[in-house]
Amino acid sequence: SQKIEQNSEALNIQEGKTATLTCNYTNYSPAYLQWYRQDPGRGPVFLLLIRENEKEKRKERLKVTFDTTLKQSLFHITASQPADSATYLCALEQRDDKIIFGKGTRLHILP
Amino acid sequence: GAGVSQTPSNKVTEKGKYVELRCDPISGHTALYWYRQSLGQGPEFLIYFQGTGAADDSGLPNDRFFAVRPEGSVSTLKIQRTERGDSAVYLCASSPQAGSHVSGEQFFGPGTRLTVL
Repeated sequence: SQKIEQNSEALNIQEGKTATLTCNYTNYSPAYLQWYRQDPGRGPVFLLLIRENEKEKRKERLKVTFDTTLKQSLFHITASQPADSATYLCALEQRDDKIIFGKGTRLHILP
Repeated sequence: GAGVSQTPSNKVTEKGKYVELRCDPISGHTALYWYRQSLGQGPEFLIYFQGTGAADDSGLPNDRFFAVRPEGSVSTLKIQRTERGDSAVYLCASSPQAGSHVSGEQFFGPGTRLTVL
């Protein structure tokens, strides 16, 4: 069966450290992989997109890697801040343009 | 420069009733998506429109759910004979066109929280 798995438990990271979130998938062949941030009571907000032929993408303090052999993406936030606390969603975009989301990982940056 | 808006923000209804949820996408966006999100879960795809037509409605759970976008802008998600299991946040998103090939993102609305008693 097709599955997208993100860190199942909430992640607590000390302020200033790097937070690393994991997204693993099985039985999908995504053309693109996206990461979104979601705050309570709000819709998701797009952060980064990485294509299947790209290994890494960066944007300010954010970095995403995409390994299609391992079927895994890692999402890094460097120099983390309490304001980075949120739920982070991994989403696979298939070639038919349908986007499938993971359950998300709750990230807490501790001051 | 308004974003995606959804109305109502909250809807409480009784089991068996009919509800309509509205989505106003960003002006000029041709692709529109509906998702359903339950507590602790990621958004679950329901349907997406490219212009006025439903390009993919494979996520609609059953024939009680229906969505329209008659003029290629505003969309309405309609749920007949609501059940308690339909309770969730219904999210709408739009993008300049379907697929991330150009824009690379979907713009989400704040959602409508539906509670079926």
